[in-house]
Amino acid sequence: GAGVSQSPSNKVTEKGKDVELRCDPISGHTALYWYRQSLGQGLEFLIYFQGNSAPDKSGLPSDRFSAERTGGSVSTLTIQRTQQEDSAVYLCASLLAGAYNEQFFGPGTRLTVL
Amino acid sequence: GIQVEQSPPDLILQEGANSTLRCNFSDSVNNLQWFHQNPWGQLINLFYIPSGTKQNGRLSATTVATERYSLLYISSSQTTDSGVYFCAVRPTGNQFYFGTGTSLTVIP
Repeated sequence: GAGVSQSPSNKVTEKGKDVELRCDPISGHTALYWYRQSLGQGLEFLIYFQGNSAPDKSGLPSDRFSAERTGGSVSTLTIQRTQQEDSAVYLCASLLAGAYNEQFFGPGTRLTVL
Repeated sequence: GIQVEQSPPDLILQEGANSTLRCNFSDSVNNLQWFHQNPWGQLINLFYIPSGTKQNGRLSATTVATERYSLLYISSSQTTDSGVYFCAVRPTGNQFYFGTGTSLTVIP
């Protein structure tokens, strides 16, 4: 597609439930990032995928968070046993490989944990 | 990790005024971007500018990599410029670091 897409746009869940968030990057972009943005805050790095290399998971806040990227394209961020502090906007960005390229963001998924 | 500081944190402008937003970073970077987050939360690319100067319409940006800062200039501001402006930098490695943003409100 023309841009990065994410689904769902909004997700309301109950504490303790698992959720899956999806990101479709720009076609041809080999690198993909997940970020979290809490209300009124900046963006917090979660995880980075680059081609077939092992992902950089150094930003994941706990072992309840995991992500995968299938076929070098679509990515899914999974949060298990959600907690109220997980409520935030989850943003995905993709870019061409390499240090000297721009990242482009999707519209985000707003997660609310009741 | 690298520290990224943006100033001012909040800015209120009358429509038509000019402004300068600043991003300071504490280490060498190989990638720097400016974004505008609109009131609906979408992050819009403004500039990819690890060094030098670029202009796009009423906006321009300058990065002085050796002195570890970048400036975003907004001229003749419009109400549609309202939102939060972020800079994001990448030192060595994969991770981008975002500043805490400048919240801009342009009043008619």
